[in-house]
Amino acid sequence: AQSVTQLDSQVPVFEEAPVELRCNYSSSVSVYLFWYVQYPNQGLQLLLKYLSGSTLVKGINGFEAEFNKSQTSFHLRKPSVHISDTAEYFCAVRGNTGGFKTIFGAGTRLFVKA
Amino acid sequence: DTAVSQTPKYLVTQMGNDKSIKCEQNLGHDTMYWYKQDSKKFLKIMFSYNNKELIINETVPNRFSPKSPDKAHLNLHINSLELGDSAVYFCASSLMAQQETQYFGPGTRLLVL
Repeated sequence: AQSVTQLDSQVPVFEEAPVELRCNYSSSVSVYLFWYVQYPNQGLQLLLKYLSGSTLVKGINGFEAEFNKSQTSFHLRKPSVHISDTAEYFCAVRGNTGGFKTIFGAGTRLFVKA
Repeated sequence: DTAVSQTPKYLVTQMGNDKSIKCEQNLGHDTMYWYKQDSKKFLKIMFSYNNKELIINETVPNRFSPKSPDKAHLNLHINSLELGDSAVYFCASSLMAQQETQYFGPGTRLLVL
């Protein structure tokens, strides 16, 4: 079984500042890892994903994440945020063998202030 | 062109009623899902169908019954609605059950009074 912990429920940040949203996971098997974004009153949209290979993954809208197997983390980063990045961000994990269930974290609300 | 669509977008109803939410995807995907998102934004899988076959059935009350008439549609019927059913329900699809990326619909906001 897998689980996901997003360490911050809310992250306020000023526009053009860098941001890191933290995600830790636990799993007894190798995993696929994802970050999704949910803008207000919308469905989730994939930002990026780690399947295998390079541990640094680049996604849409200037976001990137680094898979750290030893620390079981998959933190999301952006060097300079915009007001339009204000949204809910979800980290998710799925085991790469067996069942097809994706487990989502509780979400981190990123609030970008002018 | 909408990839994953849900109807209705909003649903306000009384306790005890029966209601259905419809989902359609035009992506040619084999697998579809229903998720429930509560007021704290926590997202939990409810069901998944692959080529009209149920492959994930989480611990949800049996008042919830999914139906997949074909692989492009996955509907959710809820009997005897309760206050705790109030939530946003998201439909999603992926190319295959093993396919990693899921595409989400806009959500159906259900309010039970």
